[in-house]
Amino acid sequence: EVQLVQSGAEVKKPGESLKISCKGSGYSFTNYWIGWVRQMPGKGLEWMGIIYPGDSDTRYSPSFQGQVTISADKSINTAYLQWSSLKASDTAMYYCARRNIVVGEQSFDSWGQGTLVTVSS
Amino acid sequence: EIVMRQSPDTLSVSPGGRVTLSCRASQSIATNLAWYQQRFGQTPRLLIYGASTRATGIPARFSGGGSGTDFTLTISSLQSEDYAVYYCQQYHNLWAFGQGTKVEIK
Repeated sequence: EVQLVQSGAEVKKPGESLKISCKGSGYSFTNYWIGWVRQMPGKGLEWMGIIYPGDSDTRYSPSFQGQVTISADKSINTAYLQWSSLKASDTAMYYCARRNIVVGEQSFDSWGQGTLVTVSS
Repeated sequence: EIVMRQSPDTLSVSPGGRVTLSCRASQSIATNLAWYQQRFGQTPRLLIYGASTRATGIPARFSGGGSGTDFTLTISSLQSEDYAVYYCQQYHNLWAFGQGTKVEIK
């Protein structure tokens, strides 16, 4: 069974750093892109960026370029999303999602359970 | 950057009714479009990819269509579990979601 298991909820203060994780299992982690999606409270889905764990090739949405860093450690089947200096506006649910297993498809067919990040002074 | 626009923002539909959601891309995306369902408090779920192919386990009452810039998601007979927010997503050039359409009980 394909699973993406994300790290637990975080409560941080503005200016603090944070790294959240997404661990894949039940498939060949290195061979499928992992994307990150933000959902601010009561709002829609926003694509942030994506990484290919096999070689760490990474793409960012223009809206998030420079604001976050996406990385992966293929030795432990885990992708990461990190901030160097959090803002209150980073308060949101963050999802990781796997690129579709169907050859040539770029939709996201499996999703993590989400990590809630709360940034408040 | 490709911008996705969904319409309407909210749809009120009676159980058993037929509903069609629309999604428009700011430039042609061929059939590089997916639809997702997000029930309240839950994780998004892939419904349709390639504009018209149902994902594994998705009931036949869900159907997708369109190509280029205009796309639709149709639910032929709305069930109670279908009341949710639906998002389209393009993956022709990077990825981007529409703002979502909420399907609510009439």
